[in-house]
Order: sequence, then structure tokens, then C-alpha cells
Amino acid sequence: EAKLVQSGAEVKKPGESLKISCKASEYTFTSSYVGWVRQMPGKGLEYMGIIWPGDSGIRYSPSFQGQVTISVDKSIKTAFLQWSSLKASDTAIYYCARLSPDTLVGTKRGRYFDTWGQGTLVTVSS
Amino acid sequence: SYDLIQPPSVSVSPGQTASITCSGDKLGDKFVYWYQQKTGQSPVVVIYEDAERPSGIPERFSGSSSGNTATLTISGTQAMDEADYYCQAWDSRTVVFGGGTKLAVL
Repeated sequence: EAKLVQSGAEVKKPGESLKISCKASEYTFTSSYVGWVRQMPGKGLEYMGIIWPGDSGIRYSPSFQGQVTISVDKSIKTAFLQWSSLKASDTAIYYCARLSPDTLVGTKRGRYFDTWGQGTLVTVSS
Repeated sequence: SYDLIQPPSVSVSPGQTASITCSGDKLGDKFVYWYQQKTGQSPVVVIYEDAERPSGIPERFSGSSSGNTATLTISGTQAMDEADYYCQAWDSRTVVFGGGTKLAVL
């Protein structure tokens, strides 16, 4: 069964940098997109972007383009999410998740996050 | 961008049927997925491809989708079903989440 294990909680000050990780196991890492999802305190799920570990191709949600960097090191089956200068508004739980293969039935298609990490709480406070 | 609209909250009595809707333009032309998120936990898929139930998800969870609306139905709702529920679709090579619905079992 596929598994994603994320790095531990972080407490940072505004302006600091941060890189959190998501280690995959029990599936072929280079054959599935890995995505990131933000959940601010008491709020809903927000899609941030996905990366294809095979060639590091990335698609960002417009809301997060330029705000974060998604990367991957396929040699250690790990995806990363990083910030160069944190803001208080970055305080949230961040989930990594594996994207399912594309499903096409007739004209209907879809993909979803079929495996989730446990989440990483990032707290940014002065 | 594509939007999915859910009611912020739904209440149901134990043993009764809960219905949570998700609306979007021509949503019936896309597959819809439903996640359950209990407090302090990661989301878990309870319905995929409109109406399919993953192994381990109780039969009381069902889904349907037509036109502009998808519906998650929980029959014989139990206290353990109290959670936030999110619908999700795939549009323009992007994951789109609904705003989430808090299900209260009162």
C-alpha cells in the first residue's frame, strides 16, 4: 500500500526560509504525480500544485505560483515544498498527496488524491 | 477558474440520511470525488468517480452526479460520521476542491 510520510512540525519567524519534505514508499515514485495541499487554521483544502517526479515537471495553482517552490529528489523518493521568505499568513497544515492516474470513461475524466501524508504544521510567528 | 460550491454545514440526527451537495458548471461532465476529514486527521476518499466506494468505506456512503450537482449521501448516519466533507473535480489539468461541508450529527 502506497505511503507518504511528511517531515515534522516547524515553528519559524517571518522572513525565514523553510523546506518541508514528503517521502514516498511502496509504489513507483516516478510514475505518479505528487501534489501539495494547504489547510489554513479552521479552513478548507486548497490545491497548491503537482510535480511529476520522473522529469520534475511542475504545475502550480495560480494562487501559489511565485509564492512557493515545489521540487523532488527521485533518488530518495522525496518531494519538497519550500518558502524563501515566510509570512504569518503561511501558517497552516500542509499535506502532500499522490495523484491518481487519469481516468477517462467516455467523455468523463478525472483524477484525485488517493494517498495522503499525515500533514506538516507550519507556524510562522514573531 | 472552475468553482465547486458546497453548503457550509449540514445537520442530521443519528440513524437518519444526510445529503451533502456540490455544485459546479456542467459538473456532471466530470468525475466527482468526496473526501472525509475528521478533526486532526488527513482527508480520506469515501467516494471516487461519482459513485464508487473504496474498499473499507461503509456501504452507507453513496454518491451520485448529474447536471450541475453531485450529492454525497450517508444513510443511517452514525456519530462517527461527524466530519468535514469536501467534493473535488479535475478541471483544466487542475485539482479543484469545494469549500467543504461540516456534517453535524445531533
